[in-house]
Amino acid sequence: KQEVTQIPAALSVPEGENLVLNCSFTDSAIYNLQWFRQDPGKGLTSLLLIQSSQREQTSGRLNASLDKSSGRSTLYIAASQPGDSATYLCALFMFSGGYNKLIFGAGTRLAVHP
Amino acid sequence: GAVVSQHPSWVICKSGTSVKIECRSLDFQATTMFWYRQFPKQSLMLMATSNEGSKATYEQGVEKDKFLINHASLTLSTLTVTSAHPEDSSFYICSATTGTSGYEQYFGPGTRLTVT
Repeated sequence: KQEVTQIPAALSVPEGENLVLNCSFTDSAIYNLQWFRQDPGKGLTSLLLIQSSQREQTSGRLNASLDKSSGRSTLYIAASQPGDSATYLCALFMFSGGYNKLIFGAGTRLAVHP
Repeated sequence: GAVVSQHPSWVICKSGTSVKIECRSLDFQATTMFWYRQFPKQSLMLMATSNEGSKATYEQGVEKDKFLINHASLTLSTLTVTSAHPEDSSFYICSATTGTSGYEQYFGPGTRLTVT
């Protein structure tokens, strides 16, 4: 059974810091890995999607890496801003029961203070 | 593009009643829709997968007679919580894909259900 762990569970930093959010998984037979952002009481916003054949993806101040062999993914946030405050979720695509499905980690709650 | 809406955004109902939540793909045809449940400070848990015109596939531990899913068209799926109890109070989120492979999912904004 696939298990997804995100560390740290919560993070509070001053504005301007570079951040590292970690995601680890137990089954490397994944198709893709996706990072999402969730604001309180809201739905999910897709940030980055890394296909299994890729090592990393970048979008603006965000960079996500994937190392399937070690079962790890890392989300880097450069020059953090208060607007980055949210919960960040990693999710793995896996094929099960005839469909690809997303298995989510518990998330990292990020607070960036001015 | 690829917008998914949910209605209502929040609902309060009394214990024992049923409540229906709608998930719509606004600008694409969704052959597959997924329903998730999220408790406070917890992650999303997949409840079921629904394909247009066929029965939903429920994850282990999810009562299909309690959580009725109907995917009647390529743009609409509904989740009905029957005989709701306070422990059913949760945040319900749907997602939709354009193909059965589920390669990329587009998420709705979620529905907050409170059962009193």
